Amino acid sequence: KQEVTQIPAALSVPEGENLVLNCSFTDSAIYNLQWFRQDPGKGLTSLLLIQSSQREQTSGRLNASLDKSSGRSTLYIAASQPGDSATYLCAVRNTMEYGNKLVFGAGTILRVKS
Amino acid sequence: ETGVTQTPRHLVMGMTNKKSLKCEQHLGHNAMYWYKQSAKKPLELMFVYNFKEQTENNSVPSRFSPECPNSSHLFLHLHTLQPEDSALYLCASSQEVGRGAVDTQYFGPGTRLTVL
Repeated sequence: KQEVTQIPAALSVPEGENLVLNCSFTDSAIYNLQWFRQDPGKGLTSLLLIQSSQREQTSGRLNASLDKSSGRSTLYIAASQPGDSATYLCAVRNTMEYGNKLVFGAGTILRVKS
Repeated sequence: ETGVTQTPRHLVMGMTNKKSLKCEQHLGHNAMYWYKQSAKKPLELMFVYNFKEQTENNSVPSRFSPECPNSSHLFLHLHTLQPEDSALYLCASSQEVGRGAVDTQYFGPGTRLTVL
């Protein structure tokens, strides 16, 4: 059974810092991995999707890497801003599962202080 | 806005009440999902519907009854709930074109449910 773990559970940093969020998964037979953002009282917004054949994806100040063999992904946020404060969720889709069934981690709560 | 709406946004109900959560997607997708998000626990998939047919029931208790009348609407009927069912219930939709398709799920804002 796939399990996804995110470290740290919470992170507080001053504005402008570069930071790394970590995600690990137990079953390396994944189809893809996604990073989501969740703001309080709102649903999830997809940030980056990495296919199993890819090593990384970039969008603006965000860069996500994937090491499928070791079961790890990192989300790098450059020059953090207070608006980046949110919960960041990692989710994987297993290769052998039919349909778009995602297994989520518990998330990292990020607070960027101005 | 993601194109997925949920009503109500907040719901308080007693254990003997019957209520329904509604989800509507305006994206033309053919798959819809119900998730449960409890405090300090990962998001849990509850049900999946593809082309109005239920394709996944993740061992959800029968006090939760989903209904998908068409590809744009999804309901979650609630009855005889327990206090531990209090959580954020999220709906999502995606375009499924078969196994191996590249797609993402779009989430609604959720319904915050409190069971007294």
